[in-house]
Amino acid sequence: EIQLQESGPGLVKPSQSLSLTCSVTGYTITSGYDWSWIRKFPGNKMEWMGYISYSGSTNYNPSLKSRISITRDTSKNQFFLQLNSVTTEDTATYYCASRLLQWDYFDYWGQGVMVTVSS
Amino acid sequence: EIVLTQSPTTIAASPGEKVTITCRASSSVSYMYWYQQKSGASPKLWIYDTSKLASGVPNRFSGSGSGTSYSLTINTMETEDAATYYCQQWSSTPPTFGGGTKLELK
Repeated sequence: EIQLQESGPGLVKPSQSLSLTCSVTGYTITSGYDWSWIRKFPGNKMEWMGYISYSGSTNYNPSLKSRISITRDTSKNQFFLQLNSVTTEDTATYYCASRLLQWDYFDYWGQGVMVTVSS
Repeated sequence: EIVLTQSPTTIAASPGEKVTITCRASSSVSYMYWYQQKSGASPKLWIYDTSKLASGVPNRFSGSGSGTSYSLTINTMETEDAATYYCQQWSSTPPTFGGGTKLELK
């Protein structure tokens, strides 16, 4: 079974970059899945941020396009989120999740990591 | 992007009661997906392709709908069903989620 685990700092200062890692076990990220980042804000709103595909191509939410980068390290079976120029409005719980290519839903999720943007 | 509006935002139900949660889309979507999230846990896929139950989901749950109107129904509420439920679409990118419906036990 696929397992995903997020890691990264829980506190980021405004204007800095937020960097998170998702470690994947049970499946190779270069096989047939997309690997997404999704965040849940206080108050329950959820936002898909973007994904990196098994081939390495990326697709980002237009609302974040200028600030976001998703990359990967295939040797470690990990993918990464970088969000630049954060503000307090980026405070959220960040999840990594997988989507098998022929489906339109997220079947496996990490446990989530809460990130607070505060000085 | 397609906006999904869930109603109600919060609902309280007694054991044995029937519960219906609605998700309305700003444009027509082909399928709707539903997730259950309990406090402190990650979302779990609950219903896929509008009406198919994910593995392990009790058959007191059902999903239906088409076009811009979808629903999740619990035929008889049980204590373990208390959670927040989210709808999600990916008929167009970006995929979007509804604002969530918190189901509480009365």
